[in-house]
Amino acid sequence: LAKTTQPISMDSYEGQEVNITCSHNNIATNDYITWYQQFPSQGPRFIIQGYKTKVTNEVASLFIPADRKSSTLSLPRVSLSDTAVYYCLVVRYTGGFKTIFGAGTRLFVKA
Amino acid sequence: GAGVSQSPSNKVTEKGKDVELRCDPISGHTALYWYRQRLGQGLEFLIYFQGNSAPDKSGLPSDRFSAERTGESVSTLTIQRTQQEDSAVYLCASSSTGTSNTDTQYFGPGTRLTVL
Repeated sequence: LAKTTQPISMDSYEGQEVNITCSHNNIATNDYITWYQQFPSQGPRFIIQGYKTKVTNEVASLFIPADRKSSTLSLPRVSLSDTAVYYCLVVRYTGGFKTIFGAGTRLFVKA
Repeated sequence: GAGVSQSPSNKVTEKGKDVELRCDPISGHTALYWYRQRLGQGLEFLIYFQGNSAPDKSGLPSDRFSAERTGESVSTLTIQRTQQEDSAVYLCASSSTGTSNTDTQYFGPGTRLTVL
């Protein structure tokens, strides 16, 4: 299963756009890329998922280049409440369930 | 229920004791997952249920760990003869089918286990 690599931490200011890039060099053809958000003392929460090109929902956008070896989560106009850990992961159900949650990216939004 | 629930929310136990952690998934969800999260670290996948069956138990850290699921609903994670290194937050998640790469996992709040 593709291992993911993301920056350990990032700082931003309120109102800025934040882009978090994740690399998954060994992603397989049928794998999807999913991003989760986790606040302290809570379980992770689904943000967005994609296969290729661009996906947008009410919370974020996800950009995936043609080779799919990386993906970028884009958070528009962050607020203090976006301070959290963001996980990029690849999920595969073929032959059972496989997933690897990396250490995540700790985003700290400052006023 | 409205979401995934776990009990207890906190558990403090002495080294060598057995503990049982419970997960109630979202009603109708076929798949259920257990993860472990040590302080300041990412999630470590433990086991996955498709219905009441666990196709792959290789993620369980040792034979002291076991899990079962009944009635395609509640699941129990049991840790026997707890050790201090078992201290962590144990997270449960469920998803609707457990067979599609697009399945979304919904997580519970976790059980914080402290082994003294």
